[in-house]
Amino acid sequence: GQQLNQSPQSMFIQEGEDVSMNCTSSSIFNTWLWYKQEPGEGPVLLIALYKAGELTSNGRLTAQFGITRKDSFLNISASIPSDVGIYFCAGQLEPNTGNQFYFGTGTSLTVIP
Amino acid sequence: DAMVIQNPRYQVTQFGKPVTLSCSQTLNHNVMYWYQQKSSQAPKLLFHYYDKDFNNEADTPDNFQSRRPNTSFCFLDIRSPGLGDAAMYLCATRGTGANNIQYFGAGTRLSVL
Repeated sequence: GQQLNQSPQSMFIQEGEDVSMNCTSSSIFNTWLWYKQEPGEGPVLLIALYKAGELTSNGRLTAQFGITRKDSFLNISASIPSDVGIYFCAGQLEPNTGNQFYFGTGTSLTVIP
Repeated sequence: DAMVIQNPRYQVTQFGKPVTLSCSQTLNHNVMYWYQQKSSQAPKLLFHYYDKDFNNEADTPDNFQSRRPNTSFCFLDIRSPGLGDAAMYLCATRGTGANNIQYFGAGTRLSVL
């Protein structure tokens, strides 16, 4: 299947620090989605991106659709303990020949109070 | 209000005893997906429906089956659960056109004894 490389794999940060994670692929995507998943729960959508260069914010979260359409990043500013969880990127290939979303391997975030 | 509802949240079954997981949606989305997720890994797509059209992933074992009796409901049947089938099972939906977002349910945690 399609490989989405997500990095870093895990992060341990102090409360108040900013966080940055990214997702890259060798293929072109037409949609990027960023999810947060807490233990025992399903992924919750944070941000959706549809156009190259698009920059979208959701509170302290900001995500961008890379110009090359092969990558995306997610930033979290001024982290707080409730930001703890696993963050997944997901994307749909261009051209979209089906309904599948491909998932990154996830970034596990730990925030130390 | 939850838009993708999975029942039950926790399911315990015995080795080899058939089990059915259910998913319902209030979004009237065309596409419904079933994923398997093992601890801290990315969700793995098992199959999806586009309306009544069933699309099985090539590496999904025959042990896993699905039914979609109407737009709102989709079921995952595991005919003979093995110990390796213990996992979180996630249902997701997606609209078409401009609403190219996957929404996930809270998941069903399956244990096999």
